[in-house]
Amino acid sequence: SQKIEQNSEALNIQEGKTATLTCNYTNYSPAYLQWYRQDPGRGPVFLLLIRENEKEKRKERLKVTFDTTLKQSLFHITASQPADSATYLCALPFMDSSYKLIFGSGTRLLVRP
Amino acid sequence: KAGVTQTPRYLIKTRGQQVTLSCSPISGHRSVSWYQQTPGQGLQFLFEYFSETQRNKGNFPGRFSGRQFSNSRSEMNVSTLELGDSALYLCASNHGTTQSYNEQFFGPGTRLTVL
Repeated sequence: SQKIEQNSEALNIQEGKTATLTCNYTNYSPAYLQWYRQDPGRGPVFLLLIRENEKEKRKERLKVTFDTTLKQSLFHITASQPADSATYLCALPFMDSSYKLIFGSGTRLLVRP
Repeated sequence: KAGVTQTPRYLIKTRGQQVTLSCSPISGHRSVSWYQQTPGQGLQFLFEYFSETQRNKGNFPGRFSGRQFSNSRSEMNVSTLELGDSALYLCASNHGTTQSYNEQFFGPGTRLTVL
């Protein structure tokens, strides 16, 4: 069955450094992949979508890559700030009997001042 | 535009009861999806409604049901509550004109506790 893996351990980095989060998937080929940010007690907030024919996408300090051969997406936050501390979720569409969006378990990012 | 709103924000029920949660999507959005989020299972897709019809469904038992009204507002119902139904229930909306989950806009969620 399809599986999405994100590093369950928190990523702890110093302010100003680049944070890199990983999303690996198996057993299917999604047409696109999304990244969301979730703060405690709140709903996820959409950040970026990258399509299977795009290698890289950028938005301000965020950069996402999508390697369909490795079945992996990397999410980078450059010049990280304490306000970037949150859980980051990747999500992929999947079709079996229904079309649904499947989320990874998320990686918690902590940016130390 | 106002964001997605969900009511109530918090709810405590006992086993065996039923519960109804409400979601108002962003104005103009016709697709409403529901998700369950727990520490153990993460964020899981329940179902999606579009134009008052359930368009897609996740792998949850029939105790979980929903509906959508003509103004796109949606309700989710869970009958015969079990302890394991304790979770954050999230609603998300998007334009939904195609079967695609581009940019889901999530509400703040309803925290359901089953005792």
